[in-house]
Amino acid sequence: AQSVTQLGSHVSVSEGALVLLRCNYSSSVPPYLFWYVQYPNQGLQLLLKYTTGATLVKGINGFEAEFKKSETSFHLTKPSAHMSDAAEYFCAVSGGSNYKLTFGKGTLLTVNP
Amino acid sequence: SAVISQKPSRDICQRGTSLTIQCQVDSQVTMMFWYRQQPGQSLTLIATANQGSEATYESGFVIDKFPISRPNLTFSTLTVSNMSPEDSSIYLCSVQIWGEPHQPQHFGDGTRLSIL
Repeated sequence: AQSVTQLGSHVSVSEGALVLLRCNYSSSVPPYLFWYVQYPNQGLQLLLKYTTGATLVKGINGFEAEFKKSETSFHLTKPSAHMSDAAEYFCAVSGGSNYKLTFGKGTLLTVNP
Repeated sequence: SAVISQKPSRDICQRGTSLTIQCQVDSQVTMMFWYRQQPGQSLTLIATANQGSEATYESGFVIDKFPISRPNLTFSTLTVSNMSPEDSSIYLCSVQIWGEPHQPQHFGDGTRLSIL
């Protein structure tokens, strides 16, 4: 079985500040990890993914995430927040032969001017 | 990545009626999925739409309530039957191009459904 825990249902930062959204996973097989973003009234857009190889992955819009197996974490970061980053962010896991995605509960990011 | 179109984008329906949601992809894909996102909640997988055969439903979801069709590799429908206010949600279609677990799923913009 797989599960995802996103710490903090709501994160608020100032424009230009560091963004850190936390994700911890549980998986009995090597995980595949994904971050998605959902803007108001839209579907989910893939930000980045980790499958194998380099543990620091870069995505779109300046986001990156680091896979830490020892900590079972895949936290999402961005050095400098922009107003346009305000959205809901979802971490998800799959793995092994299981193509099904298990999602975390999501983190709502607000960016203050 | 594939371009996914969902119709309708939103609807307001009466209790007891049914609504069919369409999902069209601009290229052939291996896997198609339907999710529900209840207000303020995360995504829950309803079923995997299988081409030419019955969908595979997740625990808590049944074919009588959520019949699904997938006649070819680019199109699927989800029907929400005998709707009640508890069915008010966003319904999302997603696709996985090659059906490999390490491949990401790509999502449509969703159908926002309100039941009166």
